[in-house]
Amino acid sequence: KNEVEQSPQNLTAQEGEFITINCSYSVGISALHWLQQHPGGGIVSLFMLSSGKKKHGRLIATINIQEKHSSLHITASHPRDSAVYICAVRLPLTHKLIFGTGTRLQVFP
Amino acid sequence: EAGVTQFPSHSVIEKGQTVTLRCDPISGHDNLYWYRRVMGKEIKFLLHFVKESKQDESGMPNNRFLAERTGGTYSTLKVQPAELEDSGVYFCASSQDRGTSTDTQYFGPGTRLTVL
Repeated sequence: KNEVEQSPQNLTAQEGEFITINCSYSVGISALHWLQQHPGGGIVSLFMLSSGKKKHGRLIATINIQEKHSSLHITASHPRDSAVYICAVRLPLTHKLIFGTGTRLQVFP
Repeated sequence: EAGVTQFPSHSVIEKGQTVTLRCDPISGHDNLYWYRRVMGKEIKFLLHFVKESKQDESGMPNNRFLAERTGGTYSTLKVQPAELEDSGVYFCASSQDRGTSTDTQYFGPGTRLTVL
């Protein structure tokens, strides 16, 4: 069992829908990252969280350290949001990242 | 500012051959990381350089893999001899700060390696 689990693995939505992607982890962490990879594209860092909530445009990321859980929300989803979203946790006292398998999101017009 | 660059973007080699992947981090970034995604699996950490020193190489799969970062600038990852299970996408990332939990890692576009 992977130390970082994401759900769902695949997600389809209609344009405008509210999207939630979940990430649970089983290890102690110093930070959690949400990353985005468009088809054929590189990996882009969206958020880095160690507590609470962060917002950037239509994207919101939350983390509950006690429950070892994080969510990525997309409001008013758009076809250009179609990508693979990856959760990764950073172990304490290291720079090492452990990755989830990713959630493939497709938003249809 | 130029991002992290990797070369080549694709490489197709035969089993037993040698391949060298190159990563140029963002200028001024002391930290350089190598990661790998094998088909259908999650991305896995390979190693971490701070300048020219290997800080953590716990993810290197075996001694067929050799990473170097001479001069603390660009890095190379050599696979010799390549095996079929080495096929995957190799990502490089770099970050600026040391010893903090708040530095962002910037990823390169990856090198897709196919071993036939």
